[in-house]
Amino acid sequence: DTEVTQTPKHLVMGMTNKKSLKCEQHMGHRAMYWYKQKAKKPPELMFVYSYEKLSINESVPSRFSPECPNSSLLNLHLHALQPEDSALYLCASSHHTGRNTEAFFGQGTRLTVV
Amino acid sequence: TQLLEQSPQFLSIQEGENLTVYCNSSSVFSSLQWYRQEPGEGPVLLVTVVTGGEVKKLKRLTFQFGDARKDSSLHITAAQPGDTGLYLCAGTTNAGKSTFGDGTTLTVKP
Repeated sequence: DTEVTQTPKHLVMGMTNKKSLKCEQHMGHRAMYWYKQKAKKPPELMFVYSYEKLSINESVPSRFSPECPNSSLLNLHLHALQPEDSALYLCASSHHTGRNTEAFFGQGTRLTVV
Repeated sequence: TQLLEQSPQFLSIQEGENLTVYCNSSSVFSSLQWYRQEPGEGPVLLVTVVTGGEVKKLKRLTFQFGDARKDSSLHITAAQPGDTGLYLCAGTTNAGKSTFGDGTTLTVKP
């Protein structure tokens, strides 16, 4: 299994809603990532988990809350989002963090905030 | 300051033509990855280069890592419409920090 699976594929939510994005991998990877990608732009790193511990938070607003319940799962909890948060949210995983990082990406969740 | 500069930003060519995409930096990278992304999908890893001067081939795609490990290129021979997509380079520095280039949007017309 060389896949990173993200659910849902599409999500529309209001600014007062609470929702969660989910990511799963069964490759035994110990590093997992959340990225945000706007149209025609490269992915922007949001969070990095290494061995189930948050190792990097790229100054992401608190309305985005990551969670790593175990080494295979990564969640992103969303609350009180703004329309400018609409984007493709990508999850990725790699064997570990470090110098030769090959990241495997999921298909993403297309989020629209209305 | 953008750590990785990709060029060109957009490229539109006819089927059968050759093309080269460049990824340049003033920083030294311990490794560099190339990804291809289709609209609405996640990036798919094409290759990783780690050794200065390294050349890797993947069918019609040739990847090169500069001798000083500061730059890389992707050359596609006889491009096909199926090559259309966003090509992204991503580098990891010796300090373990990874960053993406701005991407090259390639359109191959039949």
